[in-house]
Amino acid sequence: NAGVTQTPKFQVLKTGQSMTLQCAQDMNHNSMYWYRQDPGMGLRLIYYSASEGTTDKGEVPNGYNVSRLNKREFSLRLESAAPSQTSVYFCASSGGLADYNEQFFGPGTRLTVL
Amino acid sequence: KQEVTQIPAALSVPEGENLVLNCSFTDSAIYNLQWFRQDPGKGLTSLLLIQSSQREQTSGRLNASLDKSSGRSTLYIAASQPGDSATYLCAVKAAGNKLTFGGGTRVLVKP
Repeated sequence: NAGVTQTPKFQVLKTGQSMTLQCAQDMNHNSMYWYRQDPGMGLRLIYYSASEGTTDKGEVPNGYNVSRLNKREFSLRLESAAPSQTSVYFCASSGGLADYNEQFFGPGTRLTVL
Repeated sequence: KQEVTQIPAALSVPEGENLVLNCSFTDSAIYNLQWFRQDPGKGLTSLLLIQSSQREQTSGRLNASLDKSSGRSTLYIAASQPGDSATYLCAVKAAGNKLTFGGGTRVLVKP
């Protein structure tokens, strides 16, 4: 069981470039999430997918798009990267939205936008 | 708006001492509270989840309590070891399926 995997681990972009962060889980979880972690701001939810075929905005969705490709995979796209999007991005998954479901996190993608 | 606070921001203890980590939240209408561990440059590892109807959860040397009415949770780590050195984060789940995280407590256990 690999759990939650993310690619790439590191990325440097120039302002205006686009990229897609990939996330996959092998725990047969229904729900998946994208967070960003910034010093002094903590972790904040960008988007989440309660189940395959659905996506919803979180706390900071502007500048991002997501795709729930199938039950295993949930990608995050930056269409036109900005320096404010320099951050560490974490993908997470859980069995569902019920209160007893823990969230499990991937190792993160460290993104720098110049 | 839910706010989650963890005080102190950093803590240093000698090996063998018990660790007490605090988490407070402003809105008691939560569904659950989860404690995580984060090592430098790594992702988050889930330690314990307490549902709103529960008062505590235990796993090995870890024990977490929850007092919803006062908006507090405490994570106890018994007989600390250098390998317990990490940042510990608490997060509460409320309406909107969103986890709100605290800023974390950075723990150093000295041999």
